[in-house]
Amino acid sequence: GAGVSQSPSNKVTEKGKDVELRCDPISGHTALYWYRQRLGQGLEFLIYFQGNSAPDKSGLPSDRFSAERTGESVSTLTIQRTQQEDSAVYLCASSLGGGQFEQYFGPGTRLTVT
Amino acid sequence: AQSVTQPDIHITVSEGASLELRCNYSYGATPYLFWYVQSPGQGLQLLLKYFSGDTLVQGIKGFEAEFKRSQSSFNLRKPSVHWSDAAEYFCACRGSTLGRLYFGRGTQLTVWP
Repeated sequence: GAGVSQSPSNKVTEKGKDVELRCDPISGHTALYWYRQRLGQGLEFLIYFQGNSAPDKSGLPSDRFSAERTGESVSTLTIQRTQQEDSAVYLCASSLGGGQFEQYFGPGTRLTVT
Repeated sequence: AQSVTQPDIHITVSEGASLELRCNYSYGATPYLFWYVQSPGQGLQLLLKYFSGDTLVQGIKGFEAEFKRSQSSFNLRKPSVHWSDAAEYFCACRGSTLGRLYFGRGTQLTVWP
């Protein structure tokens, strides 16, 4: 079946502009996660959705970052007034739940802020 | 607080040699433990996971990992490395029944022919 998909795969934007990143999880997966991966670094957690609610948004680095999810489907991560330090690969993952359920990752969106 | 440490940033091995990648976690109870692999330009792929039972777990691509509670470790091993194993490897843990994974910073594996 289809895996997690993300769009766009690459995004170049000018500093100060807003961007929207999209994630389509695996059908039936109730949990959805956003992570950020800066060059040469590990994965930095941003936000977690269970259904369309976000019980853990502790990783969002500032109020310029927000995310929403429609039901148990698509999620959008929005970054307002982008800064150069926002340049990273943004990875989305989905899973059937927590605990032992693994997270399935999408290919990521590479964001470059110039 | 939970955390994962991967002490080796970069490891180089010759093809056919054995491999061990180290992972240590910090958590008060037994966590759920995972190893992921990321090839260049790709997303993360799950190699194996541990959550209970036998402390030696087998994964895909000939990898295995051993959970050692006394050492808070979950090291990844492979008896004979192939050139296609060159990639970045991430160890991760989850302590609660819900929510995020805590990732280590990753170990970059280079394989010499």
